[in-house]
Amino acid sequence: SAVISQKPSRDICQRGTSLTIQCQVDSQVTMMFWYRQQPGQSLTLIATANQGSEATYESGFVIDKFPISRPNLTFSTLTVSNMSPEDSSIYLCSVSKTTNEKLFFGSGTQLSVL
Amino acid sequence: QKEVEQNSGPLSVPEGAIASLNCTYSDRVSQSFFWYRQYSGKSPELIMSIYSNGDKEDGRFTAQLNKASQYVSLLIRDSQPSDSATYLCAGGAAGANNLFFGTGTRLTVIP
Repeated sequence: SAVISQKPSRDICQRGTSLTIQCQVDSQVTMMFWYRQQPGQSLTLIATANQGSEATYESGFVIDKFPISRPNLTFSTLTVSNMSPEDSSIYLCSVSKTTNEKLFFGSGTQLSVL
Repeated sequence: QKEVEQNSGPLSVPEGAIASLNCTYSDRVSQSFFWYRQYSGKSPELIMSIYSNGDKEDGRFTAQLNKASQYVSLLIRDSQPSDSATYLCAGGAAGANNLFFGTGTRLTVIP
């Protein structure tokens, strides 16, 4: 399994501001993903972070709102931009050695937007 | 039809009983299947993976896969209060990089 460090673990932010979440893996991984989990809900995939190129976003998520970087095979960031209370959620980084394989999750970032 | 569907529960079982969690999946999901456990306020933790028809046992956990009927299940024997959590079923699909997750089943084991 991979050791995934995600930070911050939680934050309280003001409406209209932005927050960048970092995800660091202890080994090189092929796939990195960003998920959102709203209270009492299952996981919703935001995007696949692609090394050295633009992320692949799922329906309903756009780059302007959730810009993602992945400069190498062990690190990625997700920014939640121009936040509103509807963005209050847990954001999870996950990694996989290859496609269709088991995912490992970071500890998550609990975001509250006032 | 969603790619992966779970009976949402909640499910309550007495301590020591067998807890049975079920999941069905669509034609698109065919590659690999996983069960995750998520404690409240924590991130999902992989507990079982299964790739071929039949049963796979790991300690008190048994995963069962039936590709003809398109279901996968998780049995927890000798349930303990520490098993109380939400269990997520996930599956991989050809041509998709990510896994598809069910909505989760909340299990409570009553002492």
